[in-house]
This record gives sequence, structure tokens and C-alpha cells, in this order.
Amino acid sequence: GAVVSQHPSWVICKSGTSVKIECRSLDFQATTMFWYRQFPKQSLMLMATSNEGSKATYEQGVEKDKFLINHASLTLSTLTVTSAHPEDSSFYICSAPGSQGKLFFGSGTQLSVL
Amino acid sequence: DAKTTQPTSMDCAEGRAANLPCNHSTISGNEYVYWYRQIHSQGPQYIIHGLKNNETNEMASLIITEDRKSSTLILPHATLRDTAVYYCIVRYAHNTNAGKSTFGDGTTLTVKP
Repeated sequence: GAVVSQHPSWVICKSGTSVKIECRSLDFQATTMFWYRQFPKQSLMLMATSNEGSKATYEQGVEKDKFLINHASLTLSTLTVTSAHPEDSSFYICSAPGSQGKLFFGSGTQLSVL
Repeated sequence: DAKTTQPTSMDCAEGRAANLPCNHSTISGNEYVYWYRQIHSQGPQYIIHGLKNNETNEMASLIITEDRKSSTLILPHATLRDTAVYYCIVRYAHNTNAGKSTFGDGTTLTVKP
């Protein structure tokens, strides 16, 4: 099946710093990718849709200047959490659509902001 | 996407079949039923999907009722590693906004020794 690689798996950073998370489709091309965040014991919440070669589409309530998304190629999307604060600590997950409407997910990134 | 309803939690004995139900009474004619699962601290994993016929793959079987208003995911011989949250999602297969599907709370399946 299709594989989506997400890196890093976990990151600890100081408040005020920026963190970049990468999401790669390894054996297929993805013109669209999706970014989610998930708090403990809660379901996935879509943050934004990443579009190759164009601007990302953000869900209501998600700050586009804080969560910068870049989709520079057909296999790579990045999410940068700028000026991270403790409330940004969460589990971040990416996905890419494959054949027959299936979604393939990355392994997730646990972000802890001190 | 049609709304789905799943039980909050279920237990299953190791080695027995796990049957996870999902109600989707407002499903429309061309919407598929997709199942995913999420093991703790990992990203979700695609399991299986179907339109109206029953489906089987190496991971599970999917039984969809004739009226398509409900379905059951069957893990034939549950193992401890099958402990996870299972999500049932209904949507169109060729939806470019597939990632916008609402995952809901899913069913937490606990497989016990």
C-alpha cells in the first residue's frame, strides 16, 4: 500500500521557537495533503489542506500565520509551527489521498513546547 | 459526508472475532463506507472500504446491510495488537476533499488476554 512518511516523530522545543514537520508520500504523488492536530483522548481535527503549487486552505479558527504550510513538490508538504507556545503542544498528523478515496496517514509528530 | 454513529467502546477476548458496528442511516447512493484505526500514539491506518457488497482483505471483513444503513467491521481473530480506536467514515470515493472527512470519536476496541 501507499506510504506516507512523517518526520520527526517527536520534538521538544522552547517557547518562542519555530518547528518544522515534514510529510512525504514515498511511492505516490500527492497534489493534496492534509494536516491535523489531535489532543489527548480526542479525535483528529483538520487544520488545513495543503495544495501543491498553491496556497494552503485553512479551516476556520486556524491561524495561517502561525501554522505555515508549504507544498513545494508532489511528494512533500511541510508544516511550520511558528513562535510555538505551550498551548501548541499536540499530536500533529498528515495524510495524503490515494486510489479509491483511501487516505494514507503519516505516523504523527508529538510536539511538546516548554 | 453522511453522519455515522459508533459505540464508544468495546471489549474482545484475544483470538475471538471482534465485530464493530457502525450506523449510517443517511448514507446516499454513491457514498462509500471506509474504516480506519488508530493505535495509540500513531497515525490512523486504512483498513477497508466498500460500497454495497461485502468486502474482505488481509486485515478484516466489511459487512454492509442490504439497505446500506449500517455496517460491521469484523476482525476474525483479534490480537492484543488490534487494540485501537476504530473509525467508520462515509463519503464519496472520488472526493478531492477526502481529508476533510469527520472522524468522530470512533470505537475504542480493547482486546483482552
